Amino acid sequence: AQKITQTQPGMFVQEKEAVTLDCTYDTSDQSYGLFWYKQPSSGEMIFLIYQGSYDEQNATEGRYSLNFQKARKSANLVISASQLGDSAMYFCAMRGPTGANSKLTFGKGITLSVRP
Amino acid sequence: DSGVTQTPKHLITATGQRVTLRCSPRSGDLSVYWYQQSLDQGLQFLIQYYNGEERAKGNILERFSAQQFPDLHSELNLSSLELGDSALYFCASTRTQTSPRTQYFGPGTRLTVL
Repeated sequence: AQKITQTQPGMFVQEKEAVTLDCTYDTSDQSYGLFWYKQPSSGEMIFLIYQGSYDEQNATEGRYSLNFQKARKSANLVISASQLGDSAMYFCAMRGPTGANSKLTFGKGITLSVRP
Repeated sequence: DSGVTQTPKHLITATGQRVTLRCSPRSGDLSVYWYQQSLDQGLQFLIQYYNGEERAKGNILERFSAQQFPDLHSELNLSSLELGDSALYFCASTRTQTSPRTQYFGPGTRLTVL
């Protein structure tokens, strides 16, 4: 079974600073995918970034990067140059192995507040 | 805008009633997923369809059912509603059924059962 753990309490960051949101995962699969989503107060789930277990480089998408440490089973999201609009709930999720269905297993989420 | 549409945006109903939530996937996406987000259970996978066929089931109650139609839109039917069914219901879609590198979510339907 797959499990995602997000244990940080509410996170606070000053505008324009970088912040790291932690995610650890547990799986016995060799092939899997890791996702990060942002959920603002309006409720929608916004896809941010994806990392495949066999990707050789850490994923980056604009101000978002994923610090993937496979041996430690961690996939931390780094947001650089935080903006007020980054205040939201952030979810880490995992997809199962190649050939299996692609349902996502989510962590409980982390609340990020950006201070002006 | 993810390209996934869901209707209605809000739904308020009473216990014991039945409702239908509708989802249209992104253009070209064949696979549809339904998720439930509640305060106590978090985000949970309910069911997946691919090109009209059920592919995977998660923690979906027997009172809930879904289907995907030939035009690829999907409906989630919730019956004999209970207070605990109040939640945000998301639909997501992917082009393939395995190993997608993205999974785009619709805006969700917020269901309130009174």
